[in-house]
Amino acid sequence: GNSVTQMEGPVTLSEEAFLTINCTYTATGYPSLFWYVQYPGEGLQLLLKATKADDKGSNKGFEATYRKETTSFHLEKGSVQVSDSAVYFCALSDRRSGAGSYQLTFGKGTKLSVIP
Amino acid sequence: NAGVTQTPKFQVLKTGQSMTLQCAQDMNHNSMYWYRQDPGMGLRLIYYSASEGTTDKGEVPNGYNVSRLNKREFSLRLESAAPSQTSVYFCASSEARRFTDTQYFGPGTRLTVL
Repeated sequence: GNSVTQMEGPVTLSEEAFLTINCTYTATGYPSLFWYVQYPGEGLQLLLKATKADDKGSNKGFEATYRKETTSFHLEKGSVQVSDSAVYFCALSDRRSGAGSYQLTFGKGTKLSVIP
Repeated sequence: NAGVTQTPKFQVLKTGQSMTLQCAQDMNHNSMYWYRQDPGMGLRLIYYSASEGTTDKGEVPNGYNVSRLNKREFSLRLESAAPSQTSVYFCASSEARRFTDTQYFGPGTRLTVL
């Protein structure tokens, strides 16, 4: 079945540091890949996505590249801010998930804390 | 444009009690979903509705029922709550049931079962 593995947290960085959160996946088909972010006390919101190999998703200074050869979708940001403190979820959806259904499979989440 | 709304925000139940979590979306989306979020587990799909009039089980459906009341509303019912159902519940919606679609999430309901 499908699965997503992302680095364990929590991750604590100083403001303006470089961020990498690793994400690897296992899928039987050709998935779309997503990063969602959850700010404290809120629901999840899409941060970026990529729907085919070698695509790069980007938003708010965050980037991730869909690497089929390494089955990875690592999240990066060059200079984090205090406002980036949140939980980040890597997820995939696969056209072959289930009996012809479409489902998101999530990683367990990585909590990021950015200190001034 | 409120997006996805959920009620209530918080609820405390005793074991064996029943309750219904309400969800509504105003984006004219076809598909709706219910997830639960537990510490260290990520989000797991309970039930989903690909379109009005249809519902299907997700990864963890036991102990839950759902109703797609109309295109806007998708409710989750716990008939006899158990402590193992203590969790944060999120409703989500998407435009259509395609694997490239973005899901939009509500703010969540924090449920405690004593």
